[in-house]
Amino acid sequence: EAQVTQNPRYLITVTGKKLTVTCSQNMNHEYMSWYRQDPGLGLRQIYYSMNVEVTDKGDVPEGYKVSRKEKRNFPLILESPSPNQTSLYFCASSLGSGSFNEQYFGPGTRLTVT
Amino acid sequence: GENVEQHPSTLSVQEGDSAVIKCTYSDSASNYFPWYKQELGKGPQLIIDIRSNVGEKKDQRIAVTLNKTAKHFSLHITETQPEDSAVYFCAAGGTALIFGKGTTLSVSS
Repeated sequence: EAQVTQNPRYLITVTGKKLTVTCSQNMNHEYMSWYRQDPGLGLRQIYYSMNVEVTDKGDVPEGYKVSRKEKRNFPLILESPSPNQTSLYFCASSLGSGSFNEQYFGPGTRLTVT
Repeated sequence: GENVEQHPSTLSVQEGDSAVIKCTYSDSASNYFPWYKQELGKGPQLIIDIRSNVGEKKDQRIAVTLNKTAKHFSLHITETQPEDSAVYFCAAGGTALIFGKGTTLSVSS
């Protein structure tokens, strides 16, 4: 089944404790992206990757890191999480540039930072 | 940068009525306009999209219209059903894909 998977689905952590949210897709998509969803703010892009070893900042990259060492994986790293990073996070992938093609979203990761 | 405004933020209709959600965008270079539906506890899923060389597109009960001159596009759902209840996002694709803030649609039976 074609899908985007994220782990963990739920995470509660404390301020400053490094964490990684994994994202994997099995559709051989070139483009992958991370979004955060907050009430009243919709979906905002954090980082995106056009292909392996190519990443770029989205609208809200502060406090996040990403890497794209393999085509199928695109982990999101929070080196020192803070309470304002409490949010619902979605990973997405698409065949070509995400601006012009259908994006397939993962199920989401709900992160709480205390 | 690109900005996408979406209205209304909430919409309540009776089963069988029509629902209309409207979006405006700012970047005239945008030429891809998808609509996503997000059900509770799930990620957004594409339901229909339209490209700038087309003015209207239909898929069963769902239609999207695009007015490039006015920079606005709309989602129309006819004969709404309770399973249409969800959050709907519009987006505009140019140099990046920018999402609206979402519309929570509630269909009561």
